[in-house]
Amino acid sequence: DGGITQSPKYLFRKEGQNVTLSCEQNLNHDAMYWYRQDPGQGLRLIYYSQIVNDFQKGDIAEGYSVSREKKESFPLTVTSAQKNPTAFYLCASSVTQGRQETQYFGPGTRLLVL
Amino acid sequence: AQSVTQLDSQVPVFEEAPVELRCNYSSSVSVYLFWYVQYPNQGLQLLLKYLSGSTLVKGINGFEAEFNKSQTSFHLRKPSVHISDTAEYFCAVSDRFNDYKLSFGAGTTVTVRA
Repeated sequence: DGGITQSPKYLFRKEGQNVTLSCEQNLNHDAMYWYRQDPGQGLRLIYYSQIVNDFQKGDIAEGYSVSREKKESFPLTVTSAQKNPTAFYLCASSVTQGRQETQYFGPGTRLLVL
Repeated sequence: AQSVTQLDSQVPVFEEAPVELRCNYSSSVSVYLFWYVQYPNQGLQLLLKYLSGSTLVKGINGFEAEFNKSQTSFHLRKPSVHISDTAEYFCAVSDRFNDYKLSFGAGTTVTVRA
């Protein structure tokens, strides 16, 4: 059963804590993306990666970090520098990052601050 | 980057009535256009996309959209909605000047009532 999985579904963060969100895909897609969704604001791009061992900042990268050591995996770390981390986080992937490539989304992780 | 405007944040509609969700984007350069649907606490699912060719695009679940280059619009329509169409709908645009990254509108919440 191919697709994109994100875990956990809900995540709680304490003040000053780093937390990592998991994103895995078995679609053999080259490109992967992380978005943040806030009510009434649509989706904003945090980071994206076109190939293994390479990634670029999106529009709101401050306070976040990523790695891309494997094609299938693109974990996102929300660091203590991110002062307003409460949001719904969505991971997506596409075959390549190109003009006709469609992005497919995972089910999301909701991050809440304790 | 593209600016995407979804003109209605909330659209209430009765079951079996038609619905139109409006989307306008900022640039008239060659663009690629997408509509996604999001059910509560889930990821985004692709409804339809326009890449080239016919300006009337048909998607899943009976939805269709029309690309109007002169008005820089990509409005989504369904002639008869069901209760199950209650969801949030996002318009997204990509173009070569933004490295084909997606820019999203703020979303339109459709609530279908019996």
